[in-house]
Amino acid sequence: KAGVTQTPRYLIKTRGQQVTLSCSPISGHRSVSWYQQTPGQGLQFLFEYFSETQRNKGNFPGRFSGRQFSNSRSEMNVSTLELGDSALYLCASSLRTDEAFFGQGTRLTVV
Amino acid sequence: QKEVEQNSGPLSVPEGAIASLNCTYSDRGSQSFFWYRQYSGKSPELIMFIYSNGDKEDGRFTAQLNKASQYVSLLIRDSQPSDSATYLCAVKRYTGNQFYFGTGTSLTVIP
Repeated sequence: KAGVTQTPRYLIKTRGQQVTLSCSPISGHRSVSWYQQTPGQGLQFLFEYFSETQRNKGNFPGRFSGRQFSNSRSEMNVSTLELGDSALYLCASSLRTDEAFFGQGTRLTVV
Repeated sequence: QKEVEQNSGPLSVPEGAIASLNCTYSDRGSQSFFWYRQYSGKSPELIMFIYSNGDKEDGRFTAQLNKASQYVSLLIRDSQPSDSATYLCAVKRYTGNQFYFGTGTSLTVIP
């Protein structure tokens, strides 16, 4: 059974640009959550999608957005990138509430 | 006050010893508690979860929960060098699929 797949694995962007990250959950999983991981703040929740609807949202500015498609694949978009957006972005998929399986993440560097 | 607090370490134990990792949480509405392990450059992987007060054992790992003290711990018996990683404590509230993570404790097992 394939795990959670995130693409791309690495990205380098310039301040002011926008970026789109992709996440394909484990087959059959309808919940996809996104997290930002930085050395100082640890893992912070961005948002969760379930059946194409945003079910929950963390305390991030509106520059961070996401969506989920009918096949449960999800994308997150960050517009007007700032240096502080440099982080590891992790996607997690779940079938039940007592689990979350993480992808390998996308390492975003903003220069 | 942070939702979940962990001692960042580093914690060093000799091979074969018991490693004890601790975590406190601030929201008494938290319902489920998780321990994740994250190797350097990798994504978090679930070790175990616990819902009820008391101990839960899984192989060399024991999770302990004390809701009155808002305290969760993870014991690793017969520690191995391969256990060297960062251990993340996470909690979930009654509703929603959002994890609140601590910043992690770095564990080194010395051969």
